[in-house]
Parts: sequence; C-alpha cells; structure tokens
Amino acid sequence: GAGVSQSPSNKVTEKGKDVELRCDPISGHTALYWYRQSLGQGLEFLIYFQGNSAPDKSGLPSDRFSAERTGGSVSTLTIQRTQQEDSAVYLCASSVGTGNQPQHFGDGTRLSIL
Amino acid sequence: SQQGEEDPQALSIQEGENATMNCSYKTSINNLQWYRQNSGRGLVHLILIRSNEREKHSGRLRVTLDTSKKSSSLLITASRAADTASYFCATDDGNKLVFGAGTILRVKS
Repeated sequence: GAGVSQSPSNKVTEKGKDVELRCDPISGHTALYWYRQSLGQGLEFLIYFQGNSAPDKSGLPSDRFSAERTGGSVSTLTIQRTQQEDSAVYLCASSVGTGNQPQHFGDGTRLSIL
Repeated sequence: SQQGEEDPQALSIQEGENATMNCSYKTSINNLQWYRQNSGRGLVHLILIRSNEREKHSGRLRVTLDTSKKSSSLLITASRAADTASYFCATDDGNKLVFGAGTILRVKS
C-alpha cells in the first residue's frame, strides 16, 4: 500500500523567497506531524494535526512558518521569506492516533536556501 | 528540548557482531519507541515498548526499558551490512514524540 508521500524531494531557492512543501499521509491516518532535521541531527517537532482539532503549533520556530491540512488529509508547510538557517530536511509523518502510536514517515523534502 | 539522548553517538562494528545502543530520557513516559533512518530516507518504526514492559523482542532486535533509571537499550544481534543506519529513540510528550539525536551505526562487511 501507499506510504507517506512528500513533494518535492528537493528544493533549492533563493533567500527571501517563499516555499511550499507538501505531504500526502497514509489514507485513514488522523494524525499528521511535521518535523525538521538539520544535518546529522535528530528531529525537531514543528506542528501536529489531529482530526478536526486545532493544530499544535508549539514547535514552529517563527511566524514565517505556517501549515494547513485540508480535508483532514493533505498538508502543506509554508515558509515565507526564507532564510539560510531554514536549510534542512523537512519530514512529514502520519499515524492512526496520537503520541502513543508508531509514526510512518515520508522521505522528506531537502530544502536548500542559497 | 530533546528528551531522549542516545549513546554512543557513533558505533562501528564487523558484520556478525552485536550492536548495543542506549537511550536516556528525563521525564516519565507512557512508551518509548525506536526508529531507524537510512541515509536520505525517512524514519522507519522498529519497536515500541510500553512503560509497564521491561523487555521486548522483534526478530534480531531486543529492547529493554528501565523506568527507574529512565533508560532504554536497543540490541541488534548478528548484525548485517544492511543494518547500517542511524537509530533514534523517541518518547511520548503529550500527543507528540520527542526524538533524540541518534546513534550512527556502521556495520562493516
């Protein structure tokens, strides 16, 4: 069956531009997570969606970052006015429920800000 | 802030040897999970151990949990070159997981 799909797989853009990253979770998974992984580091939590509840945005590093999840399925992470420190791999994961459940990850979007 | 911290940061062994990775955490948990990440890929869930469990097995994987010491270990027996990857522990924090920085395992053939 289909896993978590992320696009694009790679994105190179100039500083100051806006970028949109997309995540297609596993069908039927109600929880969706975005993480950021810098080179050689662990995962930094960004935002969490669960069903129709208000998202947990506590990990977003600045107001340049936002995310939405339409129809309880596809999610888009938007970074406005990108900075060089935004360069990282952005990973999306989905699960059937909340924190106690195993998460299924996409292969990420590698974002490079020139 | 990160809750799980893995040790060692890197481990290099010969094929056939066992690999042991440790994870320490700070606060009480409901469960602890281990994930593997191959280079350039997403994380893959390996095993989940609940706070009332002390040991769990899955194939060549053995996980232990000591809640009194707030620590867990992942043992991979009879390692293979294909086990080369980064390994992360993750603890639950409300509705989300908190990941450690990971252990890089290299298995030489």
